[in-house]
Amino acid sequence: SQTIHQWPATLVQPVGSPLSLECTVEGTSNPNLYWYRQAAGRGLQLLFYSVGIGQISSEVPQNLSASRPQDRQFILSSKKLLLSDSGFYLCAWLPTLAGSSYEQYFGPGTRLTVT
Amino acid sequence: GDSVTQMEGPVTLSEEAFLTINCTYTATGYPSLFWYVQYPGEGLQLLLKATKADDKGSNKGFEATYRKETTSFHLEKGSVQVSDSAVYFCALSDKGRRALTFGSGTRLQVQP
Repeated sequence: SQTIHQWPATLVQPVGSPLSLECTVEGTSNPNLYWYRQAAGRGLQLLFYSVGIGQISSEVPQNLSASRPQDRQFILSSKKLLLSDSGFYLCAWLPTLAGSSYEQYFGPGTRLTVT
Repeated sequence: GDSVTQMEGPVTLSEEAFLTINCTYTATGYPSLFWYVQYPGEGLQLLLKATKADDKGSNKGFEATYRKETTSFHLEKGSVQVSDSAVYFCALSDKGRRALTFGSGTRLQVQP
């Protein structure tokens, strides 16, 4: 069966510090991968998605970036965090099998607090 | 672009009450529709889905019917339990990007 991991689970970082959040998927190959952010009391916003190694699409201009160095690894980064980067970050994957109904499967999330 | 509108919460119900959470959408083409549930401190779990008009998704006593004529996908449950307390998100898929567009979420609180 497939599983998705995210770490760390929680993170407290000062403004201006760098960020690296990691997401890995097991039990599947060539998935689509996604990063979403959930700000306090709000819905989910798509940040990045990737259809393959090295292929990243950005949805929202911001000081975050994403990379996909391996098929089942997706990394979210920042060189200098802002207060507004605080939130709950969720990674998700989508099987690319033909006939998929496009439901995504989510990891447990990383709660980031920028102080 | 695509959008999803959900009723605002919180919704507070007594145990065994009937639940309806309204969801309407705007999209081009024929998206798939989903309800996800988020328990406190956790990620999102797929609750149910529907991929075409008049499909009914169901799981754990929850149901939702894909209504193309009213562009709606309302979530219902006949008898809620305390364990159903969570945030519920309605979402649609963009078949081009295969990405999800979410509503703002509805918090459900069920009291014993």
